This record gives sequence, structure tokens and C-alpha cells, in this order.
Amino acid sequence: KQEVTQIPAALSVPEGENLVLNCSFTDSAIYNLQWFRQDPGKGLTSLLLIQSSQREQTSGRLNASLDKSSGRSTLYIAASQPGDSATYLCAVVQGAQKLVFGQGTRLTINP
Amino acid sequence: GAGVSQSPSNKVTEKGKDVELRCDPISGHTALYWYRQSLGQGLEFLIYFQGNSAPDKSGLPSDRFSAERTGGSVSTLTIQRTQQEDSAVYLCASSLGGVSSYEQYFGPGTRLTVT
Repeated sequence: KQEVTQIPAALSVPEGENLVLNCSFTDSAIYNLQWFRQDPGKGLTSLLLIQSSQREQTSGRLNASLDKSSGRSTLYIAASQPGDSATYLCAVVQGAQKLVFGQGTRLTINP
Repeated sequence: GAGVSQSPSNKVTEKGKDVELRCDPISGHTALYWYRQSLGQGLEFLIYFQGNSAPDKSGLPSDRFSAERTGGSVSTLTIQRTQQEDSAVYLCASSLGGVSSYEQYFGPGTRLTVT
């Protein structure tokens, strides 16, 4: 059974810092990995999708990497801003189409 | 264009009552998913529809839960004889197709509270 773990569970950093969020998964037979953000009381916003054949994806200040063989992904956020404060979730897709989620990292950017 | 929409946004019901939650996927998306987010369990898959194929119901927690998708578009998740442990946020997502490479887009969710 696929298990997805995110470390740390919570992170608080001052504005302007670069930071890395970590995601690991136990079964490397995935089709893709998706990073989401969730604001309090809201749904999920897709940030980046990395196909299993890709090593990384970039969108603005965000860069996500994937090392399928070691079961790891990282989300790098450059020059963090208070508006980046949210919970960040990673999820993997296997053959059954469904997303398997980690528990999330709650990020707080302090002005 | 319009994203995934869900209604109602909040629902409070008494234990033992039935509830229906609605999802409107993004136009043109053939795949539709239901997930549940609860404090103790995180985000978990419930059911998946792809076109006219039989749905994947492997995530439904009990036979009190059912879902249908009419005309390949709108979906309704029904919970019968609600229990307090059913309290959660129910999220719907859609994607372009049943290929695993497609991104899933989520709606705002329905917060269900069973009293």
C-alpha cells in the first residue's frame, strides 16, 4: 500500500527566505506527483504536476523535483512571501488514477 | 473558464438523516473524483468516474455511501443514515481524462457536520 510522508509537519520562516518542503513515498511505481496548496477553509489549488518521466517542473518562484527511484520529491519556494502561507500537500498517482496524499506541511511566512 | 463547483458549501444534519452533495466538474472533463478530508484521516479517495465505465468505488468507507454521475457530467454523493464520523469536508475533482498523466482540479468542498 502506497504511503506518502511529508516533513516537516509545520514550518515557520521569515519573509524573503528560500525554503524546501519534502515529500517521500514508499512505492516508486507512480505515474505522476502533484503538489497542491490549501488555504484555511478552502479547496486545493494545484501548483505543479511532475510526470514520472520528468525530473523537475518550475512555475514562477516554485520548483518541484522528483527522484522516483528513491521515492522523494521536494518543493522549493524562492524568496518567500506572507501570501505563501498555507498548507502544502503532495500526492502521487498510481495505476488506479486516485491521488494518495501526504498529511501536508503547514507553512507560515512571517513579515 | 469556470472551475469545479460544489454545493452546498456547508451542510449541518442530524445523525441518521440522509444527505446529498453535488459536484459540477469542469466542462469537457471526463474524469471525476470524490475525496474526503477529515481531521484524523487526512485526505482520502472515495470514488472515481471515467466516461461510461463502471466507477471505481474502492474508497467508499461503507455501504451507506453511494455516488452517481448523470450524463457524464454532474455527480451526486449520497450518504444515508449519517453518523458523526461522517463529519468532514468532501472534495470533488475533475480531470481531462482517465489517463494518469492528467492534472486533477479540485472544487472548494462541502463541509458536512453531523450533530
